[in-house]
Amino acid sequence: QKEVEQDPGPLSVPEGAIVSLNCTYSNSAFQYFMWYRQYSRKGPELLMYTYSSGNKEDGRFTAQVDKSSKYISLFIRDSQPSDSATYLCAMSEEDYKLSFGAGTTVTVRA
Amino acid sequence: EADIYQTPRYLVIGTGKKITLECSQTMGHDKMYWYQQDPGMELHLIHYSYGVNSTEKGDLSSESTVSRIRTEHFPLTLESARPSHTSQYLCASSDREHTDTQYFGPGTRLTVL
Repeated sequence: QKEVEQDPGPLSVPEGAIVSLNCTYSNSAFQYFMWYRQYSRKGPELLMYTYSSGNKEDGRFTAQVDKSSKYISLFIRDSQPSDSATYLCAMSEEDYKLSFGAGTTVTVRA
Repeated sequence: EADIYQTPRYLVIGTGKKITLECSQTMGHDKMYWYQQDPGMELHLIHYSYGVNSTEKGDLSSESTVSRIRTEHFPLTLESARPSHTSQYLCASSDREHTDTQYFGPGTRLTVL
């Protein structure tokens, strides 16, 4: 069983829709949770960073962490064509080692 | 935008060739990493470094080697490339205090024929 499971998608939504992305994990020691965005032929860039359980909002992006359910989510409101990318969840304990999901490819149709 | 660079961006070579993938960062980060990424798969850590003259193997077994002679430079070498080495290679770095906040380079897409 993989340590981090991510809904594979792909996901296609119309412009302006809410995008919902999810990951589940098995390691209860994970404390730091991240979402990366990766455009085609580019490296991942850090989008959201959350410590422990709770919600974090940054503009149109909201990250949620539910440690009791071992479940994290990323919501994108008012999605734009420029949001079309692959989104990777990542998580770690207290050190350098990040465990990544396989990514969900999102297409926002104009 | 992160100041981390990788060259070449794309490389197509024949089996048996020796190759070096370059990675440089200008952020003064102590820690640097190499990941391998295949389509639809998770990123896998193959090498990391805590600083100059420090290198460690990651979770994914790799026939590549790395060196860290200067803080800003973390090259990856394959002595004899094989088709199984075909993949995307991503370099990343982080500072000493925030090791889980990693900044990635654009990647090198390697194809071995």
